[in-house]
Formats: sequence, C-alpha cells, structure tokens
Amino acid sequence: GNSVTQMEGPVTLSEEAFLTINCTYTATGYPSLFWYVQYPGEGLQLLLKATKADDKGSNKGFEATYRKETTSFHLEKGSVQVSDSAVYFCALSDYGFNKFYFGSGTKLNVKP
Amino acid sequence: GAGVSQSPSNKVTEKGKDVELRCDPISGHTALYWYRQSLGQGLEFLIYFQGNSAPDKSGLPSDRFSAERTGGSVSTLTIQRTQQEDSAVYLCASSRGDASNQPQHFGDGTRLSIL
Repeated sequence: GNSVTQMEGPVTLSEEAFLTINCTYTATGYPSLFWYVQYPGEGLQLLLKATKADDKGSNKGFEATYRKETTSFHLEKGSVQVSDSAVYFCALSDYGFNKFYFGSGTKLNVKP
Repeated sequence: GAGVSQSPSNKVTEKGKDVELRCDPISGHTALYWYRQSLGQGLEFLIYFQGNSAPDKSGLPSDRFSAERTGGSVSTLTIQRTQQEDSAVYLCASSRGDASNQPQHFGDGTRLSIL
C-alpha cells in the first residue's frame, strides 16, 4: 500500500542554518509527492510538489527532489529564517489523485 | 468566503452522541476532501468528493462515519454513536479540480473531543 514516513521532530535550528527534513515513501504505481506547511495559527497550505521522478519542486527557498531510486522526497533549505518555524508535512497522492497520504509532520523551530 | 470554512471550530460531546461537522469549500471548487488528524499523527484520508461523481469513501474507518455533499458545495461529516477514539481534529480541503494540478486549500479544522 501507500504510506509516507518523515523524520520526527521537533527540529531546532539557528537562523541561517541549513535545513533537511527527511521523507520516504512507499507507493504502488506512480505517485505525486508534496510538501505542505502549517504556520502557527494557520491552516495547512501547499509548499511545493513534484509529479514525476527526478522533478524538483521549489518555493520560498525550499526545494525537494523526487528520487524514485531511493523513494525519497527530502525537503531542504539553504538558510532558514525565524519565519520558517512551522510544521511540515510530506504527502503523496496515488494515481488519479483521489487519495492523499500524509506523514505525521515535523515541527521546525528556528531561533534567532 | 475567501477560504474553506469549517464549523464548529471546537466540539465537545459525550460518548454515544451523534455529531455533525460542516465544511464550506471555496466557491467553484469541485473537489472536496475530509481528513482526520489524531494527536501526534499525520492526516488520515477519510472521503473524497469530485463534482457529481460517486464519492470515494474508502477511508472512512467504520460505518458510524458518513458524509454527504449537497449541491456540489457544502459537505457534512456525520459521526454516529461517538467513541473516545473519534477524538481528533477533522480537516476539510477543497481544490479547483483534481489535486494533480491544483493545490488543496485547507480549513482550520474542527477539534472534536469525546468525553
């Protein structure tokens, strides 16, 4: 079946540090992969996505590359800011995009 | 409204009671999803509506759960004979079409607590 596993948090970094949040998946078929973000007091919102192998999604300085060989979609940012503090969710959708499977979320705390 | 609206924002009820949760999607969005987020867990897919097609109910955890979408707009998730394990945040999301090309827009959720 389909599932998503992401690293447990919280992750605490200093401002301008490099960020990696690991995400691996199990899927049948050809899933699309997503990162969603939930800022404090706000609803979930799409951060970036990749719909096929080797695609790179990017937004707001964040990047993630769809790696089929390692079944991974790790989220990276070269220099985090305090405003990036949020909970990040990795997700996949199955062919036809009817269902989404979410990871348990990783809380990121960025300290000034 | 500008975003997905869910009501109530919080609901506390006794075990065994029925509850109804409401979702008002963004106007014009044909796809609507319900998810459940238990404490410390990811989002669990419950049900998906797309236009006038039959909904995908495969994520509903038991026959106590049901959902409908009237007129292709507002959706109601009903939980009958609630149990303590039903306590969670219930999230609704809508998108313009299928989510392959359009992002899902999430509501703020209903926090359900079963005493």
